[in-house]
Amino acid sequence: IQLTQSPSSLSASVGDRVTITCRASQGISSHLAWYQQRPGKAPKLLIYAASTLESGVPSRFSGSGSGTDFTLTISSLQPEDFVTYFCQQLQAFPLTFGGGTKVQIK
Amino acid sequence: EVQLLESGGALVQPGESLRLSCAVSGLKFSKYVFNWVRQVPGKGLEWVSTIGTNGDTYYNDSVKGRLTISRDDSKSTVYLQMNSLSAEDTAVYHCAKSGYCSPKCDGLDVWGQGTMVTVSS
Repeated sequence: IQLTQSPSSLSASVGDRVTITCRASQGISSHLAWYQQRPGKAPKLLIYAASTLESGVPSRFSGSGSGTDFTLTISSLQPEDFVTYFCQQLQAFPLTFGGGTKVQIK
Repeated sequence: EVQLLESGGALVQPGESLRLSCAVSGLKFSKYVFNWVRQVPGKGLEWVSTIGTNGDTYYNDSVKGRLTISRDDSKSTVYLQMNSLSAEDTAVYHCAKSGYCSPKCDGLDVWGQGTMVTVSS
């Protein structure tokens, strides 16, 4: 199952609302997770089951979608959010990741 | 606190072998599913392998037949035996714990910092 993540990068300002999209090549129900990765660090789970916020993750992060189309929304960008985000499908093996979205400061 | 600590990364020559270890603490090890995920520095994430609580294993086609995942519940450790290494295997290798599985899992909720494998002559 291929995951197409878009955009690959975006520029935004602190306080902006941003949306990242992940499209699966076939239906994956709600078996999708989103991760945040800071440079030189391990990925951190933000959202699982497409829309469930992982414990401790700020509520400005939200996820939606099912089937083939999913979104990660950051309602109000904070300075620490300017990093890279990945989606992952857990519907079937081989597990696959999207190509990533780098969120940059405008 | 749940912690995963990888070790075993090194610089090796093409064709050589290496064994990575992932020592897990802070949870009942035998109850959880574990994974290896690799990342070329500056690039994307690539799932490598998963081992279930009953020892079932799954592999990316790119490593099938060369890399073998295993677990030792008595030592709370996951292993990745890497044979016939090539330059394409050069990456940081992360060990990651799966979240709740029923049977599909809810993401990878705890990650180690990774261990670097470099394959070069």
